[in-house]
Amino acid sequence: AQSVTQLGSHVSVSEGALVLLRCNYSSSVPPYLFWYVQYPNQGLQLLLKYTTGATLVKGINGFEAEFKKSETSFHLTKPSAHMSDAAEYFCAVSVAAGNKLTFGGGTRVLVKP
Amino acid sequence: KAGVTQTPRYLIKTRGQQVTLSCSPISGHRSVSWYQQTPGQGLQFLFEYFSETQRNKGNFPGRFSGRQFSNSRSEMNVSTLELGDSALYLCASSLAGTGQSDTQYFGPGTRLTVL
Repeated sequence: AQSVTQLGSHVSVSEGALVLLRCNYSSSVPPYLFWYVQYPNQGLQLLLKYTTGATLVKGINGFEAEFKKSETSFHLTKPSAHMSDAAEYFCAVSVAAGNKLTFGGGTRVLVKP
Repeated sequence: KAGVTQTPRYLIKTRGQQVTLSCSPISGHRSVSWYQQTPGQGLQFLFEYFSETQRNKGNFPGRFSGRQFSNSRSEMNVSTLELGDSALYLCASSLAGTGQSDTQYFGPGTRLTVL
C-alpha cells in the first residue's frame, strides 16, 4: 500500500518569496507522483506529474518538483510567490494498477503582501 | 474540450434519505473515479469505473455505490445518509486506455450537506 505525508498543514509566505511544499511518499512499487491545487469552492487542478524519465518536472504557473527516489520525496517549489498562489495544495501517489490516487493531507498556502 | 462536469453542485438532504450524484467525463475518457473530501479525513478514494465495470474500490461501506453507463457518464449513490456523509464529492476522469497511471482531471465537485 502507498501513503503520502505532507509536512505542514499551513504555510505562510511573503509575495515574491520562495514557496516550498514538502511531500514524502511510501510505495512498494515505482510510483507515479502528482501535485494538485485546489482553490476555494473548486475541484482539483493538476499542477504537474512525474511518471518516468527526468526527475525535475516543470508544471503550470511556474511550479516545479523534483523526484528524489533515495529520499522518497517529491517537494514542490516556486521561486517567487504571487498572491494568486494562495490555495490548498495536494500531493498524490498512484501505482500502475488502476487509477486510484492516494492523497496527502494537503498544505494551505497563505501569501502575504 | 469541455472539462469534467458534475451535477448538482450543491445538495441538502436529511438523515436516512438517499442521494444520487452525476458525473460527465471529458469526451473520450473512459475511466471515472470518485473521491470524498472532508475536513477530518481529507481526500479519500471511493471507486473507479472503466468500461461500465468497477475496477477499483476504496474502503467505504456498501451504502456507497456507483455505476457507469455506455457513454462513460457515471453516477454514485449513497443510501441511508448519515451526518458524516456531508462532504465534497469529486469526480475525476482519465483516458485509462492502458495499465499505466494516466492523468486524472477533476470536476468542480458536488457539495452534499446532510442535516
